[in-house]
Amino acid sequence: DAEITQSPRHKITETGRQVTLACHQTWNHNNMFWYRQDLGHGLRLIHYSYGVHDTNKGEVSDGYSVSRSNTEDLPLTLESAASSQTSVYFCASSGARPGSDEQFFGPGTRLTVL
Amino acid sequence: AQSVTQPDIHITVSEGASLELRCNYSYGATPYLFWYVQSPGQGLQLLLKYFSGDTLVQGIKGFEAEFKRSQSSFNLRKPSVHWSDAAEYFCAVGPSGGSYIPTFGRGTSLIVHP
Repeated sequence: DAEITQSPRHKITETGRQVTLACHQTWNHNNMFWYRQDLGHGLRLIHYSYGVHDTNKGEVSDGYSVSRSNTEDLPLTLESAASSQTSVYFCASSGARPGSDEQFFGPGTRLTVL
Repeated sequence: AQSVTQPDIHITVSEGASLELRCNYSYGATPYLFWYVQSPGQGLQLLLKYFSGDTLVQGIKGFEAEFKRSQSSFNLRKPSVHWSDAAEYFCAVGPSGGSYIPTFGRGTSLIVHP
């Protein structure tokens, strides 16, 4: 069965370190997304990609970057981790029909920045 | 700009009681509408979606939702709640203008008392 996976599931790091969160999907979806989820804020979009070599900023992109070298993977990098980036991160993917295709979510990565 | 409002942050019901979670949207045309469920420690999973046609939509786990254009609402219902339904519920409206980015509500946390 097709799926979307994230690794690691839990990560503790220190302020100032570079951190990369992995996202891998086997749906063969062109569209991939990264969200963070915090109490009181719901889901907030960090970055998204509509295909290989395409990346776009979401509403809370500062301090984060992504790259898309193949269809399956969209890694999220925190260039210099800050305590404000302690959060739960979700990766999602969706199909080719604008608006009508639902998103498929990974299980999430809980990141703690000390 | 489109928006989604879930007026209730928390809802508490007794097991076996009926449930209605509210969702109101703002959108310029006939929207694509979704309800997702997030169980503790997991990613979001699609419960149901509405595109067109019959305004009463059936989903998984015994849930249904009714689209009411006149009220700009898409409320989620279940006739008899089970303890396993305790979760976070998100309403979303599909993107417009060729975008692939949905707009999510802030979520409603469902607490089920035995």
